[in-house]
Amino acid sequence: DGGITQSPKYLFRKEGQNVTLSCEQNLNHDAMYWYRQDPGQGLRLIYYSQIVNDFQKGDIAEGYSVSREKKESFPLTVTSAQKNPTAFYLCASSIGTSTHTQYFGPGTRLTVL
Amino acid sequence: AQTVTQSQPEMSVQEAETVTLSCTYDTSENNYYLFWYKQPPSRQMILVIRQEAYKQQNATENRFSVNFQKAAKSFSLKISDSQLGDTAMYFCASRSPGAGSYQLTFGKGTKLSVIP
Repeated sequence: DGGITQSPKYLFRKEGQNVTLSCEQNLNHDAMYWYRQDPGQGLRLIYYSQIVNDFQKGDIAEGYSVSREKKESFPLTVTSAQKNPTAFYLCASSIGTSTHTQYFGPGTRLTVL
Repeated sequence: AQTVTQSQPEMSVQEAETVTLSCTYDTSENNYYLFWYKQPPSRQMILVIRQEAYKQQNATENRFSVNFQKAAKSFSLKISDSQLGDTAMYFCASRSPGAGSYQLTFGKGTKLSVIP
């Protein structure tokens, strides 16, 4: 089946640890995105990537890092520098970045203990 | 910068009835795209409907339709014959394809409950 997968579904992290969230898509989409969702809020963009080996910061990139070594994969690392990392993280992809609709994965719930 | 406002934090509707969710937006662009996404309790974001600003005709998708008022910058979602599976958070979002504007700008959402 074509789609976007995120793993794990739930993730727990101790303060001071880095953690990496996985996002994979087999839709042959060029663009991929990471969003953060907090209770009572809409989604906010962390990073996006238009093509392999290229990515750009979104509105709230501080404390996060990404890589795009393969078209299918766009992992997000939440570093210890992120002050309030507990949130729901959603990955999305689109055919391109200009006009096309973004499709979302099922999300990862990160909790910092 | 774009902003999206959803003024109804929560709404409820009886099963089989019709409900309209409101959304207003602000953008300086002339060419842009508007979306409604649904987020059920599973929390996956699902595209409901999309509207291109240059199209005057309102988009429809089965029981879902929009009322797009470009001059008023209004983009409401109408759900007809509401079903229990429509219970979810609904997010309005906008996107401008202008340079550097690759993100979706989301409203804060409306929680819709369909009552049996």
